[in-house]
Amino acid sequence: AQSVTQLGSHVSVSEGALVLLRCNYSSSVPPYLFWYVQYPNQGLQLLLKYTSAATLVKGINGFEAEFKKSETSFHLTKPSAHMSDAAEYFCAVSEGTGGFKTIFGAGTRLFVKA
Amino acid sequence: SAVISQKPSRDICQRGTSLTIQCQVDSQVTMMFWYRQQPGQSLTLIATANQGSEATYESGFVIDKFPISRPNLTFSTLTVSNLSPEDSSIYLCSVEEGTEGYTFGSGTRLTVV
Repeated sequence: AQSVTQLGSHVSVSEGALVLLRCNYSSSVPPYLFWYVQYPNQGLQLLLKYTSAATLVKGINGFEAEFKKSETSFHLTKPSAHMSDAAEYFCAVSEGTGGFKTIFGAGTRLFVKA
Repeated sequence: SAVISQKPSRDICQRGTSLTIQCQVDSQVTMMFWYRQQPGQSLTLIATANQGSEATYESGFVIDKFPISRPNLTFSTLTVSNLSPEDSSIYLCSVEEGTEGYTFGSGTRLTVV
């Protein structure tokens, strides 16, 4: 069975500092991995995805994530935080497309200090 | 990617009543998904709605409480019945776009009083 763990329910960084949100997964098959962002009072928006191509994935808003099979990790990073990055971030894992269930992590709320 | 219109965006309902949430997609999709996001928590899949067949419910969710309709390939409704304060959550519909991941509606914030 697949699962996903996000380390840290809250992360606080200063504006301009590195953002690192951690995600570890388990899956019995090569996984599809996703990061979603949820701004207040909004639905979820796809940030980036890994679907067995390049292990370093670049997404929107300057975010990227690296798939590390040996560490079963898919951490999300951004070199320089912006105030507008303050939101909830969800890591998700799926065993495929076409109706495979997607499991979402518990979420990490990112705070950005001025 | 698909665009999903979900409504209402929020509602306050009396306990014992029902709320029906609508999702309209701007393209034809085979499967639509309904999620619940309880306060401060992640998303939990309620059911998968296929056009022309009964919805498939996840463990802990039943049709009598969460009836779903899927009359065509662009539309679905979720009804939350016999409301109690424990049903206060955000409800989201979504569609899967192959390897592009999920596209979500903007959510319906339900408060039961």
